[in-house]
Amino acid sequence: AQSVSQHNHHVILSEAASLELGCNYSYGGTVNLFWYVQYPGQHLQLLLKYFSGDPLVKGIKGFEAEFIKSKFSFNLRKPSVQWSDTAEYFCAVNPLSGSARQLTFGSGTQLTVLP
Amino acid sequence: ETGVTQTPRHLVMGMTNKKSLKCEQHLGHNAMYWYKQSAKKPLELMFVYNFKEQTENNSVPSRFSPECPNSSHLFLHLHTLQPEDSALYLCASSQEGRGKTYEQYFGPGTRLTVT
Repeated sequence: AQSVSQHNHHVILSEAASLELGCNYSYGGTVNLFWYVQYPGQHLQLLLKYFSGDPLVKGIKGFEAEFIKSKFSFNLRKPSVQWSDTAEYFCAVNPLSGSARQLTFGSGTQLTVLP
Repeated sequence: ETGVTQTPRHLVMGMTNKKSLKCEQHLGHNAMYWYKQSAKKPLELMFVYNFKEQTENNSVPSRFSPECPNSSHLFLHLHTLQPEDSALYLCASSQEGRGKTYEQYFGPGTRLTVT
């Protein structure tokens, strides 16, 4: 079964610092990749997604992620974080063979941005 | 408004009680999901319904019983739960089909506490 690893459980940054959150997955075939964000007290929201084409994808609120197939990675980045980016971030992988509905999530990374 | 609503938002129940969680999606999707979100753990997929047919049951104990009367509504019936079942229960929906991206849209969740 596929797995998703988010190595950073809690990241603390000051405003304007650059952000990179790691995500690695174990599935060897073709995948769809997602980053979701959960702001305090709110529901999970889609931040960005990758399914084909340009491996550098841009999402909402200035976030981007790069798919590196050879490294099985899909790291999330933002050049300059804001206090409002404080949230929990989840990486998810959807293999395109077998059970296509099976989204597998990482355990999440809590980001705290200090004002 | 996410397009996926869940009621109730909070639920406290004893181990001998029977209760139900309700989910409704207003997005015209044909697939719905139940997830369990516990602290410090990845989201756990519990059940998947596609066109009202249950297509996945990820080894969930029988004290959780799903029901999908139509493509817009999903229930999770609970009975004789254990304290370790306390968690946030999330509902999601997606549009399944050839060429679709399988991104899922989440509701706000029901915070369940079993006493």
